[in-house]
Amino acid sequence: GQQVMQIPQYQHVQEGEDFTTYCNSSTTLSNIQWYKQRPGGHPVFLIQLVKSGEVKKQKRLTFQFGEAKKNSSLHITATQTTDVGTYFCAGAWAGGTSYGKLTFGQGTILTVHP
Amino acid sequence: ETGVTQTPRHLVMGMTNKKSLKCEQHLGHNAMYWYKQSAKKPLELMFVYSLEERVENNSVPSRFSPECPNSSHLFLHLHTLQPEDSALYLCASSQGPGHPVYGYTFGSGTRLTVV
Repeated sequence: GQQVMQIPQYQHVQEGEDFTTYCNSSTTLSNIQWYKQRPGGHPVFLIQLVKSGEVKKQKRLTFQFGEAKKNSSLHITATQTTDVGTYFCAGAWAGGTSYGKLTFGQGTILTVHP
Repeated sequence: ETGVTQTPRHLVMGMTNKKSLKCEQHLGHNAMYWYKQSAKKPLELMFVYSLEERVENNSVPSRFSPECPNSSHLFLHLHTLQPEDSALYLCASSQGPGHPVYGYTFGSGTRLTVV
């Protein structure tokens, strides 16, 4: 089945450092979404990217969708302790048996040391 | 409160028990999903319902039985589970399914422990 690979699995940073997590699909995605799950919590939708080469920003968070729509990244500038949690990408493919569902990456667990 | 409510929050059950997980959404969404989240594993899609019709069953063992009586409610009936079924079970809803896929709203989950 279709998969989304996400790296790194873990990232430990000092507060104020930047953080990036990457997602990759072997086939072209119709769109990709990003979610954040705080420790002990549930995934919360952050953003959706649909267009090739799309870049979206939310305060210190920058989301990118590759030109080929096979990869995506989430970059956090100057991390804060409130950024801790697991960041998931989730891909969707148009057509066939994948129609209308999301497949999640393994997630990147971010730890921020004050 | 996310708009998607799951009950119970925690459940401990023996392998011979029968229990049900409940999910309720009041967001006007017409698609609902069950996901399983285990330690060190990605979120695993179990079932997809669109307009109360099951459109996906992701090779889930028959000891898990979903039910969607209407577009606002989703159940997961459990019977004769195994210890490896212990996990966080997440319900989600969205507009769709369709293209593009809209963002999911997740419930807080049910932490299931099978003893």
